[in-house]
Amino acid sequence: GQQVMQIPQYQHVQEGEDFTTYCNSSTTLSNIQWYKQRPGGHPVFLIQLVKSGEVKKQKRLTFQFGEAKKNSSLHITATQTTDVGTYFCAARDDKIIFGKGTRLHILP
Amino acid sequence: EAEVAQSPRYKITEKSQAVAFWCDPISGHATLYWYRQILGQGPELLVQFQDESVVDDSQLPKDRFSAERLKGVDSTLKIQPAELGDSAMYLCASSLWSGGQETQYFGPGTRLLVL
Repeated sequence: GQQVMQIPQYQHVQEGEDFTTYCNSSTTLSNIQWYKQRPGGHPVFLIQLVKSGEVKKQKRLTFQFGEAKKNSSLHITATQTTDVGTYFCAARDDKIIFGKGTRLHILP
Repeated sequence: EAEVAQSPRYKITEKSQAVAFWCDPISGHATLYWYRQILGQGPELLVQFQDESVVDDSQLPKDRFSAERLKGVDSTLKIQPAELGDSAMYLCASSLWSGGQETQYFGPGTRLLVL
């Protein structure tokens, strides 16, 4: 069945450093979504990627969808303390499956 | 800004008891999801509704879990009987399709503790 792997599980960075999380699927996806969940909060939708090779930017966040539509990445440039949280990818094939998330800690 | 409402926010119950969670989606959202999120994990889809119809309940443990959305608006998720392993956050989400993109909006969740 469809599997979604997200790495790394945890990431500690100094404030101002960059951060990247990766999402890999065992099957070709129709689309992929990214969510952010603050500690104690609920997932908040960030973006959806649909096209092969698609790149979208939101301020310091850059999202990519692989050419084969099996992988995706989220890159944050110059992290800030407000970026703390867990970032999830959600892959949609015939079902919607969330990755286990990457928990981002920012060291001041 | 409209939000997905869920109640209760917290529920403590003993194993073998019945529990029910309620979700009121954002007005006009036809698609409604119930997820279970275990601490440290991603949300796991339990059931998806399109209006009042179940689209996907393949991950729902049907021997003890049931979900309904009778009028295609609010929804109830029930567990009977609850087991220790059911302790988790239960999240409801509703979604809107626009321009080929689906945006899911999550509610605050119901945190369940089974003793």
